[in-house]
Amino acid sequence: SQKIEQNSEALNIQEGKTATLTCNYTNYSPAYLQWYRQDPGRGPVFLLLIRENEKEKRKERLKVTFDTTLKQSLFHITASQPADSATYLCALGGGYQKVTFGIGTKLQVIP
Amino acid sequence: NAGVTQTPKFRVLKTGQSMTLLCAQDMNHEYMYWYRQDPGMGLRLIHYSVGEGTTAKGEVPDGYNVSRLKKQNFLLGLESAAPSQTSVYFCASSYSIFELGTDTQYFGPGTRLTVL
Repeated sequence: SQKIEQNSEALNIQEGKTATLTCNYTNYSPAYLQWYRQDPGRGPVFLLLIRENEKEKRKERLKVTFDTTLKQSLFHITASQPADSATYLCALGGGYQKVTFGIGTKLQVIP
Repeated sequence: NAGVTQTPKFRVLKTGQSMTLLCAQDMNHEYMYWYRQDPGMGLRLIHYSVGEGTTAKGEVPDGYNVSRLKKQNFLLGLESAAPSQTSVYFCASSYSIFELGTDTQYFGPGTRLTVL
C-alpha cells in the first residue's frame, strides 16, 4: 500500500536559518503534492502545490521541490521566523484518488 | 466568508451514546470530507462526498455514518460511541477535482471528542 514518510521528530532551527523538511513516499505515483501548515488546536492550512511535471515551486519565503525519481519532496522556509513554528504536513494526490496525508513534522524556530 | 465551520468544538460522550457533528462551508464547494487525527497517525479519511446527496467510504468508515442533504452541509454521526473514537475530527471541503485537477482542501477548526 502507499506510504508517506515525514520525519516524526521535531526539527529545531535557529531564527534566520533555512528550514528544510522532507517528505518521502513509496508505492505511489502522485500527480501532485501539497504542503499544509497546522498550528496547535487548528485545522491544516494549504500552503503550496507542486505537480509531477514541475521540479520547483516558490511562494514568498517558501520553496518546494518534487523529485519523482527519488520519490521525495523537500519543503524549504528561508529566513525562518518564530512565527513559522508549526507542524507541516505533506499530502499526495492524483487522478481520482483521495489525497493522502503524512503525519507531519513539527518545526520549532528558536529566537 | 466564514470558510469551513464545525459544531461543536468540544464534546465528551459516554460509551454507547450517539451524537452528530455538523460541518458547514460557504465556498460553494462540491467535495466535502471528514477526517480524524490521532497522535502518530496523521489525518485519516472517514467518509467523503462528491456532491449533494452523495457519500462514500474513506479509509476508516466503521462506526460512523454521514449525510449530505444540502451542498453546504456535511454531517458525521456516531451511533454508539466507543473509546476508540476519541479523537480530533476535522471537516474539509474542496472544489471539484474535475475542474482543477487537484484536491486542495480547506479545513475547519476541528472538534475534540472524548469518549469515556
